[in-house]
Amino acid sequence: NAGVMQNPRHLVRRRGQEARLRCSPMKGHSHVYWYRQLPEEGLKFMVYLQKENIIDESGMPKERFSAEFPKEGPSILRIQQVVRGDSAAYFCASSLQPPTGLYTEAFFGQGTRLTVV
Amino acid sequence: QKEVEQDPGPLSVPEGAIVSLNCTYSNSAFQYFMWYRQYSRKGPELLMYTYSSGNKEDGRFTAQVDKSSKYISLFIRDSQPSDSATYLCAFAGGTSYGKLTFGQGTILTVHP
Repeated sequence: NAGVMQNPRHLVRRRGQEARLRCSPMKGHSHVYWYRQLPEEGLKFMVYLQKENIIDESGMPKERFSAEFPKEGPSILRIQQVVRGDSAAYFCASSLQPPTGLYTEAFFGQGTRLTVV
Repeated sequence: QKEVEQDPGPLSVPEGAIVSLNCTYSNSAFQYFMWYRQYSRKGPELLMYTYSSGNKEDGRFTAQVDKSSKYISLFIRDSQPSDSATYLCAFAGGTSYGKLTFGQGTILTVHP
C-alpha cells in the first residue's frame, strides 16, 4: 500500500513563474491537507480539502495560492507568480475519515521542496 | 503570544541518555496532543498521540500531558543514534479537527 505520494520532490522556478505541486493520497483516503514548512519554522497549515470541496482554507495566503482536489486525480497546490519568499517545503497529508471529533491519523508525504530563483 | 511554544534546541545527548522534549500551548480548545518525528528531508511521521492528561507509554517513548498547565512532554529512554531527528509537537481540536497546529520543532542529535 503506497503512502502519500508527492511530486515533484524538488521544483525550481524563476520569479514570476507558476508552480504546481501534486499530491496523491493514500489509497482509500479522501481527505487531503497541505502544509508549508519555511526554513527555521514549523509546519504551518494551509488548506484542508475533500473530493471537490475546500473545507478549511484559513491558512492559505489570500493571493496567488489556490488548491483543488478533483473527483479524479491528485490534489494540486498552485502558486502563481512565485516570489523568493515562497521557497519552502510543501507537505501534503491524507486521512481516511473526516476529523469529526475522533482523532484520525493524517499520513504525510515526503514533501516538495520549492526553490524560487 | 504564540499558540504553541517549543524550544528549537538544538539538543545533543550521548547514547543511552534520557531525553525530555517539551511544548506549551495557549489554545484551550486543543483536544488531541501529538508528537511527530521528522528525519532530514523527509515527511513527519506520527510517534504518539493522546487526548487526556496523564502519561502514555510506547516502548522507549512516553508522552505526558498536563492540560491544567497547558504543557506536554515527550520522554525518550535509552536514546539511540537513530533517534536523531527533529521532534514536532502538534495539536488538534476545537472547531477544525482537520487542522494540525505544530510547534517549531526541536532538533535532537544522539551521539554514540
